[in-house]
Amino acid sequence: AQTVTQSQPEMSVQEAETVTLSCTYDTSESDYYLFWYKQPPSRQMILVIRQEAYKQQNATENRFSVNFQKAAKSFSLKISDSQLGDAAMYFCAYRSGISGNTPLVFGKGTRLSVIA
Amino acid sequence: DSGVTQTPKHLITATGQRVTLRCSPRSGDLSVYWYQQSLDQGLQFLIQYYNGEERAKGNILERFSAQQFPDLHSELNLSSLELGDSALYFCASSVEQGWAGEQYFGPGTRLTVT
Repeated sequence: AQTVTQSQPEMSVQEAETVTLSCTYDTSESDYYLFWYKQPPSRQMILVIRQEAYKQQNATENRFSVNFQKAAKSFSLKISDSQLGDAAMYFCAYRSGISGNTPLVFGKGTRLSVIA
Repeated sequence: DSGVTQTPKHLITATGQRVTLRCSPRSGDLSVYWYQQSLDQGLQFLIQYYNGEERAKGNILERFSAQQFPDLHSELNLSSLELGDSALYFCASSVEQGWAGEQYFGPGTRLTVT
């Protein structure tokens, strides 16, 4: 079974600074997708960024980018120019790409605080 | 707004009772997933339906059951409730074929068992 590990339960960053959240995963599959979800105090799960395993290029969405290291099974999220609204729980998630749509496997999450 | 709706938003009930959580997927999405978020277990996949049929099962207790109706809405039934069932229950939906199979989450139902 696939597992996702987020080793940083909590992180903090100064406003306008850059922070990197870590995620590692374990799988024997070659076809899969990785995601970062944000969960603000409202509890809504919001997709931040996605990465297909077959793509070597790291995904980028505005101030959010990932460092995808397939051989190391590492998928970190970098938030640049941090804003107060970035404060939230961040979850790394894995989805098998073998057949159709499969469930997400989540890490335990990292709580990010942004200091003004 | 993800387009996925869940009702009710909050539910408070007593141990031993039975509740039903409802989810309406985004228009056109055929797959519905149920997830449970609790403090000790994190976010866990419970069960998936695709076009009315059960597709995958996760860590779903025997006291829990679900179904997807012809109009594609889904219901999660929780019975013989225990204190440990208190959690946030999410529904998510996705199209069957998509470049990343992105799942869109509803706002969740917060269940409190007293």
